[in-house]
Amino acid sequence: GAVVSQHPSWVICKSGTSVKIECRSLDFQATTMFWYRQFPKQSLMLMATSNEGSKATYEQGVEKDKFLINHASLTLSTLTVTSAHPEDSSFYICSASLPQGAFFGQGTRLTVV
Amino acid sequence: DQQVKQNSPSLSVQEGRISILNCDYTNSMFDYFLWYKKYPAEGPTFLISISSIKDKNEDGRFTVFLNKSAKHLSLHIVPSQPGDSAVYFCAARGNAGNMLTFGGGTRLMVKP
Repeated sequence: GAVVSQHPSWVICKSGTSVKIECRSLDFQATTMFWYRQFPKQSLMLMATSNEGSKATYEQGVEKDKFLINHASLTLSTLTVTSAHPEDSSFYICSASLPQGAFFGQGTRLTVV
Repeated sequence: DQQVKQNSPSLSVQEGRISILNCDYTNSMFDYFLWYKKYPAEGPTFLISISSIKDKNEDGRFTVFLNKSAKHLSLHIVPSQPGDSAVYFCAARGNAGNMLTFGGGTRLMVKP
């Protein structure tokens, strides 16, 4: 099946620093990728839709300047959490869609201290 | 406004018995439904899907039923195994694009 690779799987950073998370489609091209955030014991919340070669589409309430998304190629989308704060600590997951469904990365556990 | 709902946050089942996970949706434009299984600190893994033109899809121990008139779908796992213990998400996709809308998840615990 299709493989989506997300890196890193977990990261701890200091408050005020920026963290970049990568999402790669390994065996297919993805013009669109999705970034989700999951809080403890809660569902996956769509943050933004990443479009190759154009600006990302952000969901209501998601700060564009804080969560920078770049989709420079058909196999790579990146999410950068800028000036991270403890409340940004969460589990971030990317996905890419094919006609048969969405495939998810392994997720990234971000802890901001 | 939650368009996809999983009203049971948790479910406990004895090994060997049937697990039934339910999901309701409100948007009649959804035309494709999927179930995902998720372990802690991992991304969701795809289990099974169903198109809105069908009412049943079966894959091994997993069967998904869709009742369009009731806007309800369910995932049956039989027989349940301890390794099935995880959080299960249903998701729906509209015909406008590939974006998925997720339910809140149901934590399934299969006891040996």
